[in-house]
Amino acid sequence: DQQVKQNSPSLSVQEGRISILNCDYTNSMFDYFLWYKKYPAEGPTFLISISSIKDKNEDGRFTVFLNKSAKHLSLHIVPSQPGDSAVYFCAARNAGGTSYGKLTFGQGTILTVHP
Amino acid sequence: ETGVTQTPRHLVMGMTNKKSLKCEQHLGHNAMYWYKQSAKKPLELMFVYNFKEQTENNSVPSRFSPECPNSSHLFLHLHTLQPEDSALYLCASSPDSSGGGATQYFGPGTRLTVL
Repeated sequence: DQQVKQNSPSLSVQEGRISILNCDYTNSMFDYFLWYKKYPAEGPTFLISISSIKDKNEDGRFTVFLNKSAKHLSLHIVPSQPGDSAVYFCAARNAGGTSYGKLTFGQGTILTVHP
Repeated sequence: ETGVTQTPRHLVMGMTNKKSLKCEQHLGHNAMYWYKQSAKKPLELMFVYNFKEQTENNSVPSRFSPECPNSSHLFLHLHTLQPEDSALYLCASSPDSSGGGATQYFGPGTRLTVL
């Protein structure tokens, strides 16, 4: 049972436009959400996060939105740049129980930004 | 050196070999993790160590044996692996494995091929 899902395996965007990456989750015990970016032959790099008590967090060109009622979060990148081309992973943290602190990852979305 | 380093970056081994993967973090963190990433699958958590104590074993086969001699070093000892164990093995660290240390920082990974 996949608790964190990224339903779009890939996304292609023109440089300068907005990229929107989506993530859905099923576990109500998640209390913290993170986005990671991964280039080929490198490990995932932390990008931005959001606590479940907030609905938006912004850092430069990157904004994460959280809709708790829909159990949905999204990452907006604007304007998109060719260097943003990478695999983006959404992750969620368990707030309690024996899995406290554990991160659960989605399967990733490949973003390609065309010049 | 900064961040999280992993050696070797690539490893090819036969099913009867014994090898070890090494991870070192230079961030002063107290928690370290092993993940497995197979093609087109989400990152799978394998083991968690918090203050050198193993706090999670995610039903990993005994042919994978972790060792954490101190908070900065983590090893994964491999013995009699199967071809389906071929994957990218990622190490990560965080301030701790409880709620306060949600953000995990990843190494570049070891690409393992089992023949």
